[in-house]
Amino acid sequence: RKEVEQDPGPFNVPEGATVAFNCTYSNSASQSFFWYRQDCRKEPKLLMSVYSSGNEDGRFTAQLNRASQYISLLIRDSKLSDSATYLCVVIEEDDKIIFGKGTRLHILP
Amino acid sequence: NAGVTQTPKFQVLKTGQSMTLQCAQDMNHNSMYWYRQDPGMGLRLIYYSASEGTTDKGEVPNGYNVSRLNKREFSLRLESAAPSQTSVYFCASLGEQGFERSYNSPLHFGNGTRLTVT
Repeated sequence: RKEVEQDPGPFNVPEGATVAFNCTYSNSASQSFFWYRQDCRKEPKLLMSVYSSGNEDGRFTAQLNRASQYISLLIRDSKLSDSATYLCVVIEEDDKIIFGKGTRLHILP
Repeated sequence: NAGVTQTPKFQVLKTGQSMTLQCAQDMNHNSMYWYRQDPGMGLRLIYYSASEGTTDKGEVPNGYNVSRLNKREFSLRLESAAPSQTSVYFCASLGEQGFERSYNSPLHFGNGTRLTVT
């Protein structure tokens, strides 16, 4: 069975700190990788696409390691508004989409 | 430009009642999905449809049926609701390969349906 694994957390991090999450996937043929953010069981929203070359957007950096089959998300200078659940999303070669269970992040004032 | 429209937003059913959750997208996407999300759990795939007229089971299909009669609409039906089906349901569609999937949000979600079965 194809799976996507994440540490569920919660990660309790002081404001201004740096925090990193990893996600592993089991299917080496997976095509596309993303990080989504979800607030209070609302619909997930795209945070970042993830590429082998790395992807940086402001305080957020995402990286794909195909050899080890994991993706990572780094958040620098964390803000209170970063508190959310972060979902790792993998799109398979047949367009089946697999979600990780999510990592809960709490930024502490 | 509505994106993915999902109805209803809230629903309360009694055990044994039936209902259909509606989902429509106006982006001409081929692939559409139904997920459920329970407290402390991730999104679990119920059914998906890679194209008009085709459907496939996901991780948790039991107790559900789906219908993809045209490219726009993908409905989810509960024939005889059970308390175990109390959940938040999300419909989604997937952008096509290329620019849309690589650089824009590949997945477009509806706002969710909060279903309670008593």
